Amino acid sequence: DTTVKQNPRYKLARVGKPVNLICSQTMNHDTMYWYQKKPNQAPKLLLFYYDKILNREADTFEKFQSSRPNNSFCSLYIGSAGLEYSAMYLCASSTFNYAEQFFGPGTRLTVL
Amino acid sequence: QQQVRQSPQSLTVWEGETAILNCSYEDSTFNYFPWYQQFPGEGPALLISIRSVSDKKEDGRFTIFFNKREKKLSLHITDSQPGDSATYFCAAYNTNTGKLTFGDGTVLTVKP
Repeated sequence: DTTVKQNPRYKLARVGKPVNLICSQTMNHDTMYWYQKKPNQAPKLLLFYYDKILNREADTFEKFQSSRPNNSFCSLYIGSAGLEYSAMYLCASSTFNYAEQFFGPGTRLTVL
Repeated sequence: QQQVRQSPQSLTVWEGETAILNCSYEDSTFNYFPWYQQFPGEGPALLISIRSVSDKKEDGRFTIFFNKREKKLSLHITDSQPGDSATYFCAAYNTNTGKLTFGDGTVLTVKP
C-alpha cells in the first residue's frame, strides 16, 4: 500500500483564522514533507520531518508550523491565514535520502 | 533564480505522435532526476527517473535523455495516448540535502 492520505481535501478559511491540515501514511516512512503548490508554479517545499526532527525552509520559517505525533501522521498548521496562503498543499513521504517521494492527493485551501 | 526549468509550459500533440518535454537545471550537485505525472484531483506520481551517471532511461513509451554537460534532460513520450494528458513535473534531487526541487511543470494535452 503506497497511499498517502490528506484531510480535508478542501478547506475554506477566513483571513486571520488558523488552519490545520492533516496527512497520514502507512508505509512506515521516516520522512514526511509538506509542499505548497500554486497554479502554474512548481511545488514549493515548506518543511519536512525526518523522524521527530522538524526542518523548515528559511523563507517560510515564520509562516508554517508542523507536528508529528507519531510516525504515520503529520500536520501543517497556519496560525493566521492570509489571502496569500490560498493554494494546494501536498503532503509526501519517503525513506530519508531515498529520492522517491509518494504524494497525497492534496488539500485545496481557499482563504477569503 | 529558478533551479529547475521546464519547457514548454503547455504542449498539445495528436494521438500517436511523440511528445517531447524539456528540463534544465542549474545546480551541478543534483544527481537524480525523477519525472512526476499529475492528473487533476490527484497528487504527483513518479513516472520515470534517471541518475546522473546514465544518459538514457527507457520504460515502455517513456524515455529520458540526459545531457550532464549541458545540464539538460528531456522526456519523450512515444505513441502518445489521450490518457497521457496530464501535468508533468521534472524534479532534481540533491543527496546532500535530501530535497527535491521541482520545475513549474508542462501541461500535456493529447488529442484523439
